[in-house]
Amino acid sequence: ILNVEQSPQSLHVQEGDSTNFTCSFPSSNFYALHWYRWETAKSPEALFVMTLNGDEKKKGRISATLNTKEGYSYLYIKGSQPEDSATYLCAFPMDSSYKLIFGSGTRLLVRP
Amino acid sequence: EAQVTQNPRYLITVTGKKLTVTCSQNMNHEYMSWYRQDPGLGLRQIYYSMNVEVTDKGDVPEGYKVSRKEKRNFPLILESPSPNQTSLYFCASRPLGGNSYEQYFGPGTRLTVT
Repeated sequence: ILNVEQSPQSLHVQEGDSTNFTCSFPSSNFYALHWYRWETAKSPEALFVMTLNGDEKKKGRISATLNTKEGYSYLYIKGSQPEDSATYLCAFPMDSSYKLIFGSGTRLLVRP
Repeated sequence: EAQVTQNPRYLITVTGKKLTVTCSQNMNHEYMSWYRQDPGLGLRQIYYSMNVEVTDKGDVPEGYKVSRKEKRNFPLILESPSPNQTSLYFCASRPLGGNSYEQYFGPGTRLTVT
Protein backbone atom coordinates (compact mmCIF):
# COMPACT_ATOMS: atom_id res chain seq x y z
CA ILE A 1 0.00 0.00 0.00
CA LEU A 2 1.36 3.36 -1.03
CA ASN A 3 1.34 5.95 1.74
CA VAL A 4 1.62 9.66 1.27
CA GLU A 5 1.81 11.42 4.60
CA GLN A 6 1.58 15.08 5.39
CA SER A 7 2.49 16.87 8.57
CA PRO A 8 1.38 18.67 10.49
CA GLN A 9 -2.31 17.97 10.08
CA SER A 10 -3.14 21.59 10.91
CA LEU A 11 -1.24 24.75 11.57
CA HIS A 12 -2.30 28.10 13.00
CA VAL A 13 0.07 31.02 12.43
CA GLN A 14 -0.01 34.76 12.78
CA GLU A 15 -0.05 37.03 9.73
CA GLY A 16 3.53 37.71 8.68
CA ASP A 17 4.91 34.44 10.05
CA SER A 18 6.74 32.14 7.68
CA THR A 19 5.75 28.51 7.79
CA ASN A 20 6.51 25.19 6.24
CA PHE A 21 5.05 21.72 6.11
CA THR A 22 6.07 18.33 4.87
CA CYS A 23 4.92 15.68 2.45
CA SER A 24 6.52 12.23 2.79
CA PHE A 25 6.26 9.61 0.07
CA PRO A 26 7.91 6.31 -0.83
CA SER A 27 11.33 7.02 -2.28
CA SER A 28 11.38 4.04 -4.64
CA ASN A 29 9.94 4.36 -8.16
CA PHE A 30 9.52 8.09 -8.07
CA TYR A 31 7.55 9.66 -10.93
CA ALA A 32 6.45 13.09 -9.75
CA LEU A 33 5.06 14.96 -6.80
CA HIS A 34 2.12 17.33 -7.00
CA TRP A 35 1.19 20.13 -4.60
CA TYR A 36 -2.36 21.53 -4.58
CA ARG A 37 -3.95 24.37 -2.68
CA TRP A 38 -7.55 23.87 -1.62
CA GLU A 39 -9.55 26.76 -0.24
CA THR A 40 -12.78 26.09 1.59
CA ALA A 41 -15.79 25.92 -0.72
CA LYS A 42 -13.56 25.88 -3.79
CA SER A 43 -11.85 23.14 -5.77
CA PRO A 44 -8.20 22.17 -5.41
CA GLU A 45 -5.83 24.17 -7.60
CA ALA A 46 -2.42 23.00 -8.71
CA LEU A 47 0.55 24.81 -7.20
CA PHE A 48 3.51 22.77 -8.37
CA VAL A 49 4.39 19.55 -10.13
CA MET A 50 7.90 18.46 -9.26
CA THR A 51 9.78 15.76 -11.08
CA LEU A 52 13.51 16.04 -10.39
CA ASN A 53 15.48 15.42 -7.22
CA GLY A 54 16.63 18.77 -5.87
CA ASP A 55 13.87 20.62 -7.72
CA GLU A 56 12.86 23.95 -6.25
CA LYS A 57 9.76 25.71 -7.46
CA LYS A 58 8.42 29.11 -6.52
CA LYS A 59 5.16 30.96 -7.01
CA GLY A 60 5.07 34.32 -5.28
CA ARG A 61 5.62 33.75 -1.57
CA ILE A 62 5.15 30.00 -1.85
CA SER A 63 8.00 27.67 -2.69
CA ALA A 64 8.62 23.95 -2.60
CA THR A 65 11.63 21.67 -2.53
CA LEU A 66 11.95 18.01 -3.41
CA ASN A 67 14.19 15.23 -2.14
CA THR A 68 13.38 12.03 -4.00
CA LYS A 69 16.16 10.00 -2.39
CA GLU A 70 14.80 10.42 1.10
CA GLY A 71 11.19 10.74 0.02
CA TYR A 72 10.04 14.17 1.15
CA SER A 73 8.98 17.55 -0.14
CA TYR A 74 8.69 20.77 1.83
CA LEU A 75 6.26 23.57 1.08
CA TYR A 76 7.26 26.99 2.42
CA ILE A 77 5.14 30.10 2.75
CA LYS A 78 7.04 33.30 3.43
CA GLY A 79 5.22 36.05 5.32
CA SER A 80 1.87 34.26 5.55
CA GLN A 81 -1.26 36.26 4.78
CA PRO A 82 -4.87 35.47 5.74
CA GLU A 83 -5.59 34.63 2.10
CA ASP A 84 -3.06 31.80 2.35
CA SER A 85 -5.49 30.01 4.67
CA ALA A 86 -6.32 26.76 2.91
CA THR A 87 -5.62 23.05 2.95
CA TYR A 88 -2.42 22.14 1.14
CA LEU A 89 -2.45 18.71 -0.46
CA CYS A 90 0.37 16.71 -1.93
CA ALA A 91 -0.17 13.82 -4.33
CA PHE A 92 2.04 11.06 -5.63
CA PRO A 93 1.45 9.08 -8.84
CA MET A 94 1.22 5.39 -8.14
CA ASP A 95 3.79 3.65 -10.34
CA SER A 96 3.51 4.47 -14.02
CA SER A 97 -0.26 4.48 -14.02
CA TYR A 98 -2.24 7.62 -13.75
CA LYS A 99 -3.58 6.97 -10.29
CA LEU A 100 -2.76 9.76 -7.90
CA ILE A 101 -2.50 9.03 -4.20
CA PHE A 102 -3.27 12.09 -2.11
CA GLY A 103 -2.09 12.90 1.37
CA SER A 104 -4.70 13.98 3.88
CA GLY A 105 -3.48 17.56 3.72
CA THR A 106 -2.17 20.27 6.01
CA ARG A 107 -4.82 22.75 7.01
CA LEU A 108 -3.31 26.22 7.41
CA LEU A 109 -5.07 29.05 9.20
CA VAL A 110 -3.42 32.47 9.14
CA ARG A 111 -4.76 34.86 11.76
CA PRO A 112 -4.76 38.58 10.91
CA GLU B 1 -12.68 29.74 -20.21
CA ALA B 2 -10.96 26.42 -19.60
CA GLN B 3 -12.87 24.58 -16.93
CA VAL B 4 -14.26 21.39 -15.46
CA THR B 5 -17.94 21.56 -14.59
CA GLN B 6 -19.96 19.26 -12.36
CA ASN B 7 -23.69 18.98 -11.82
CA PRO B 8 -25.42 19.06 -9.50
CA ARG B 9 -23.35 20.94 -6.94
CA TYR B 10 -25.49 19.76 -4.05
CA LEU B 11 -27.74 16.72 -3.84
CA ILE B 12 -29.73 15.13 -1.05
CA THR B 13 -31.21 11.76 -1.91
CA VAL B 14 -32.51 8.60 -0.31
CA THR B 15 -30.97 5.17 -0.10
CA GLY B 16 -31.42 3.12 -3.25
CA LYS B 17 -32.48 5.89 -5.62
CA LYS B 18 -30.19 5.84 -8.65
CA LEU B 19 -28.37 9.06 -9.40
CA THR B 20 -25.83 10.44 -11.84
CA VAL B 21 -23.35 13.23 -11.28
CA THR B 22 -22.18 14.74 -14.52
CA CYS B 23 -18.68 15.98 -15.27
CA SER B 24 -17.61 17.85 -18.37
CA GLN B 25 -14.34 19.48 -19.44
CA ASN B 26 -13.64 21.79 -22.37
CA MET B 27 -9.86 21.39 -22.55
CA ASN B 28 -9.78 18.30 -24.76
CA HIS B 29 -8.07 16.36 -21.97
CA GLU B 30 -7.72 12.63 -22.42
CA TYR B 31 -7.53 11.81 -18.74
CA MET B 32 -10.47 12.26 -16.37
CA SER B 33 -10.93 11.07 -12.84
CA TRP B 34 -13.41 11.01 -9.95
CA TYR B 35 -12.45 11.47 -6.31
CA ARG B 36 -14.31 11.51 -3.06
CA GLN B 37 -13.20 13.53 -0.07
CA ASP B 38 -14.06 12.53 3.47
CA PRO B 39 -12.87 14.21 6.67
CA GLY B 40 -9.40 13.07 7.69
CA LEU B 41 -8.98 10.85 4.63
CA GLY B 42 -7.86 13.20 1.89
CA LEU B 43 -8.93 12.68 -1.70
CA ARG B 44 -9.48 9.06 -2.72
CA GLN B 45 -9.75 8.06 -6.32
CA ILE B 46 -12.93 6.25 -7.38
CA TYR B 47 -12.44 5.69 -11.12
CA TYR B 48 -10.36 7.18 -13.87
CA SER B 49 -10.37 7.18 -17.63
CA MET B 50 -7.48 7.57 -20.01
CA ASN B 51 -9.59 8.09 -23.09
CA VAL B 52 -12.95 7.39 -24.68
CA GLU B 53 -14.22 3.92 -23.75
CA VAL B 54 -11.18 3.34 -21.47
CA THR B 55 -11.96 3.34 -17.75
CA ASP B 56 -10.25 1.79 -14.74
CA LYS B 57 -10.85 1.41 -11.04
CA GLY B 58 -9.22 3.67 -8.50
CA ASP B 59 -8.87 2.90 -4.82
CA VAL B 60 -12.55 2.99 -3.81
CA PRO B 61 -14.67 1.91 -6.80
CA GLU B 62 -17.28 -0.17 -4.93
CA GLY B 63 -20.80 1.12 -5.40
CA TYR B 64 -19.91 3.36 -8.36
CA LYS B 65 -19.97 3.12 -12.13
CA VAL B 66 -18.61 5.45 -14.79
CA SER B 67 -18.76 5.74 -18.53
CA ARG B 68 -16.70 7.61 -21.11
CA LYS B 69 -18.63 7.71 -24.35
CA GLU B 70 -17.33 11.14 -25.32
CA LYS B 71 -14.00 12.75 -24.56
CA ARG B 72 -15.45 15.71 -22.73
CA ASN B 73 -17.88 13.88 -20.41
CA PHE B 74 -17.26 11.45 -17.57
CA PRO B 75 -20.42 10.85 -15.53
CA LEU B 76 -20.37 9.13 -12.15
CA ILE B 77 -23.27 6.77 -11.56
CA LEU B 78 -24.52 5.50 -8.23
CA GLU B 79 -26.94 2.69 -9.04
CA SER B 80 -28.13 2.20 -5.46
CA PRO B 81 -26.72 4.90 -3.20
CA SER B 82 -26.12 4.16 0.46
CA PRO B 83 -25.44 6.49 3.41
CA ASN B 84 -21.72 5.61 3.36
CA GLN B 85 -21.54 7.32 -0.02
CA THR B 86 -22.36 10.64 1.59
CA SER B 87 -19.30 12.65 0.65
CA LEU B 88 -17.83 15.52 -1.34
CA TYR B 89 -17.07 14.43 -4.90
CA PHE B 90 -14.59 16.00 -7.29
CA CYS B 91 -14.08 15.38 -10.96
CA ALA B 92 -10.69 16.23 -12.47
CA SER B 93 -9.03 16.17 -15.86
CA ARG B 94 -5.58 16.59 -17.35
CA PRO B 95 -3.68 15.89 -20.54
CA LEU B 96 -2.22 12.44 -20.98
CA GLY B 97 1.50 11.80 -21.38
CA GLY B 98 3.36 11.42 -18.09
CA ASN B 99 2.85 12.40 -14.52
CA SER B 100 4.14 15.93 -14.80
CA TYR B 101 0.80 17.46 -15.64
CA GLU B 102 -1.33 18.92 -12.90
CA GLN B 103 -4.98 18.05 -12.70
CA TYR B 104 -7.79 20.55 -13.10
CA PHE B 105 -10.58 20.02 -10.63
CA GLY B 106 -14.28 20.71 -10.92
CA PRO B 107 -16.14 22.69 -8.22
CA GLY B 108 -17.26 19.62 -6.31
CA THR B 109 -20.60 17.93 -5.64
CA ARG B 110 -21.75 17.53 -2.08
CA LEU B 111 -23.90 14.40 -1.87
CA THR B 112 -25.98 13.38 1.13
CA VAL B 113 -27.66 9.98 1.15
CA THR B 114 -30.26 9.49 3.88
